[in-house]
Amino acid sequence: GQQLNQSPQSMFIQEGEDVSMNCTSSSIFNTWLWYKQEPGEGPVLLIALYKAGELTSNGRLTAQFGITRKDSFLNISASIPSDVGIYFCAGQGNTGNQFYFGTGTSLTVIP
Amino acid sequence: NAGVMQNPRHLVRRRGQEARLRCSPMKGHSHVYWYRQLPEEGLKFMVYLQKENIIDESGMPKERFSAEFPKEGPSILRIQQVVRGDSAAYFCASSPSVIGSGELFFGEGSRLTVL
Repeated sequence: GQQLNQSPQSMFIQEGEDVSMNCTSSSIFNTWLWYKQEPGEGPVLLIALYKAGELTSNGRLTAQFGITRKDSFLNISASIPSDVGIYFCAGQGNTGNQFYFGTGTSLTVIP
Repeated sequence: NAGVMQNPRHLVRRRGQEARLRCSPMKGHSHVYWYRQLPEEGLKFMVYLQKENIIDESGMPKERFSAEFPKEGPSILRIQQVVRGDSAAYFCASSPSVIGSGELFFGEGSRLTVL
């Protein structure tokens, strides 16, 4: 199945710093989703995007649906230790109901 | 409103035994997806089902693996004659459908260990 390219693969940052990660696809998507997964748990939906150019916030998290509909970005401002985890992007196309996932970005926040 | 429920959370099997993983989708959701995750890796799609129908099983191994979502009851992922390589976390997710405006919600996963 299709895999989205997600970068960076891992990040080590100081508490208080901002974080940016992105996801790209060779296909156009109609929906972009961003998830966070902590060890031993299932992925938790953070933000859902449905329109090209859309910018949506959830607390300190902001995600954007790229204009080309082939990419999406997630920013975390003023990181805190509990932001630690793996962040996944997912996209859904306009044919079928299949969701495709990125390879994940592992975030470590150093207090 | 209960989320996606998976059980068991942990399952230990010996090689050659069968593993059955169950998933109850969120209320009102008619689409179920199964994903497999190895340690330190991403989510690999296995199968997508609607009630009584398999829509896409392109990610499912051809042998030993099967999935169903009956009219009544949970979705079942069945692995026959398990091997050590089947050890992984298996996640179920459900969606309220509607192409292009759907959301996908995950359960806590079932962690299979094959001895």
